[in-house]
Amino acid sequence: AQTVTQSQPEMSVQEAETVTLSCTYDTSENNYYLFWYKQPPSRQMILVIRQEAYKQQNATENRFSVNFQKAAKSFSLKISDSQLGDTAMYFCAFMKYGGSQGNLIFGKGTKLSVKP
Amino acid sequence: DSGVTQTPKHLITATGQRVTLRCSPRSGDLSVYWYQQSLDQGLQFLIQYYNGEERAKGNILERFSAQQFPDLHSELNLSSLELGDSALYFCASSVVSPGANVLTFGAGSRLTVL
Repeated sequence: AQTVTQSQPEMSVQEAETVTLSCTYDTSENNYYLFWYKQPPSRQMILVIRQEAYKQQNATENRFSVNFQKAAKSFSLKISDSQLGDTAMYFCAFMKYGGSQGNLIFGKGTKLSVKP
Repeated sequence: DSGVTQTPKHLITATGQRVTLRCSPRSGDLSVYWYQQSLDQGLQFLIQYYNGEERAKGNILERFSAQQFPDLHSELNLSSLELGDSALYFCASSVVSPGANVLTFGAGSRLTVL
């Protein structure tokens, strides 16, 4: 069974600074996908970024980038130039490859506070 | 607006009662997923439907059931409710492909059992 671990329950960062959220996972699969979802106080789950395990290049989306280390089973999220609107719970998630089993396994989340 | 519509947004009921949560997926998405988010259990996958058929099952209790209708909307039925069933219930939808199924989530239905 796959597991996802986020070891930082809470973090804070000053506005405009950079912060990195950690995530490790355990799987015996070779092909899979990793995601970061954001849940602001509105409770809506919003996709931030995704990474295909077969791609060596780290995914980036504007101010968000990941550091994917497949051998170490590590998938951290870096947020650059943090903004007040980045305040949210961030969830790391794993999905096995294959259309019929496309359910996400989530970590417990990291609560990020961006301070002015 | 994510395109995934969930109703009701909030629901307060008593122990022993039965409720139905409804989800309309994004246009074009054939697959629907239900997740439960509670403080102690985190986000847990309950069940997935694809084009009307059950495709995968997670930690769904026997008191819970779901279905997906021909128009692709889905309903999650929760019966004999207990205090511990109080949670935020998310519906998500996706296209299904050999690659990554990117799930789009609805805004959730908050269930409070008193």
